[in-house]
Amino acid sequence: AQKITQTQPGMFVQEKEAVTLDCTYDTSDPSYGLFWYKQPSSGEMIFLIYQGSYDQQNATEGRYSLNFQKARKSANLVISASQLGDSAMYFCAMWDTRITRGSNYKLTFGKGTLLTVNP
Amino acid sequence: DGGITQSPKYLFRKEGQNVTLSCEQNLNHDAMYWYRQDPGQGLRLIYYSQIVNDFQKGDIAEGYSVSREKKESFPLTVTSAQKNPTAFYLCASRPDGKYNSPLHFGNGTRLTVT
Repeated sequence: AQKITQTQPGMFVQEKEAVTLDCTYDTSDPSYGLFWYKQPSSGEMIFLIYQGSYDQQNATEGRYSLNFQKARKSANLVISASQLGDSAMYFCAMWDTRITRGSNYKLTFGKGTLLTVNP
Repeated sequence: DGGITQSPKYLFRKEGQNVTLSCEQNLNHDAMYWYRQDPGQGLRLIYYSQIVNDFQKGDIAEGYSVSREKKESFPLTVTSAQKNPTAFYLCASRPDGKYNSPLHFGNGTRLTVT
């Protein structure tokens, strides 16, 4: 079974500094994908970045980058130049490649990290 | 604009009553999902549907039921058998085919049962 672990319940960062949010995963499948989502206090889930297990380079999207260390099974999110609007819950997620009925696709989430950006 | 609409945003029910949460999408996505979120628990999968008239149980399906009669709609019924129904419920959809396609989420329904 898959498992996603986010060990930091909460993180604090000063505005304009960089911050790393940790995510480790456990899977026996060589083919998998990892996502990061942001959830502001309003509740909506905002997709940030994706990393495939076979991707040769670490994913980047604007101020977001993914520090993907496949051998260590970690996919840490790096936010550069933090802004006050970055304060939110951040979730790491992995899709499940188990095939039980056709090409099933399930996304399993970690418990999240609450990031607070201080002015 | 295309998106996922969940209604209502807040829902209050008395214990013992069934309640149905609405989820409609106009993204023409094949797959739809229901997740439950509790404080400190992350998101847990209740049910998902890859195509119309077909759906599968997720990790915490007990006490819930769904239907998928139309591609655009995936309502979730929280039955009286669900022991702890108070939670934040998120509906999502996904286009078929590519594994790097992220889930698109609605804004959620916060259900309170007293």
